[in-house]
Amino acid sequence: QSALTQPASVSGSPGQSITISCTGTSSDVGGYNYVSWYQQHPGKAPKLMIYDVSKRPSGVSNRFSGSKSGNTASLTISGLQAEDEADYYCTSYTSSSTLVFGGGTKLTVL
Amino acid sequence: EVQLLESGGGLVQPGGSLRLSCAASGFTVNSYAMSWVRQAPGKGLEWVSAISASGVNIYYADSVKGRFTISRDNSKNTLYMQMNSLRAEDTALYYCARVQSGSYYVLDSWGQGTLVTVSS
Repeated sequence: QSALTQPASVSGSPGQSITISCTGTSSDVGGYNYVSWYQQHPGKAPKLMIYDVSKRPSGVSNRFSGSKSGNTASLTISGLQAEDEADYYCTSYTSSSTLVFGGGTKLTVL
Repeated sequence: EVQLLESGGGLVQPGGSLRLSCAASGFTVNSYAMSWVRQAPGKGLEWVSAISASGVNIYYADSVKGRFTISRDNSKNTLYMQMNSLRAEDTALYYCARVQSGSYYVLDSWGQGTLVTVSS
């Protein structure tokens, strides 16, 4: 199972919006609405931010939103804040009943 | 409060074995599937394995299939990963994570990880 494709890095200024893409295939992202997004700060465990493409867990800011079109899912962060600077990973359920991660995207808040 | 505490990591020679444990608390462990995820130093996250709440259904990444065995003891609220035939590329921080009830691999709680180093 190949990793999902994410941009290595994205950046934005405080208050701006950014979008991180996550591209897979019809056997994972495109075939199921089971895409999640995780935020990981340096030295910390990952934190669930979005699940089932666009659902937000309790306690996660509504500045975070998710969507999907075809084989590509996206995470959008609006009103960028300094604390959003972190690594972001997408995941998808696969046709093999396994889980696949994206390569990760480093978000820099300028 | 959900807590997951991994242990058992350490330095092991190539070809060696190690057993990781993940002690869970703060929730009814036997109602949740569980998973292991690893992260090589400076690299991204990689899913390793998952086990259903009952322990009947088990899944592995191709990279560890045939070498790693996931198991659980619900009476002890503990998840395990037996790792055999270890390779240098298995060096990583190993996280255990809880799978959100009724979901397809939504990892809603994570431990802090235990470090496995495979080196001679």
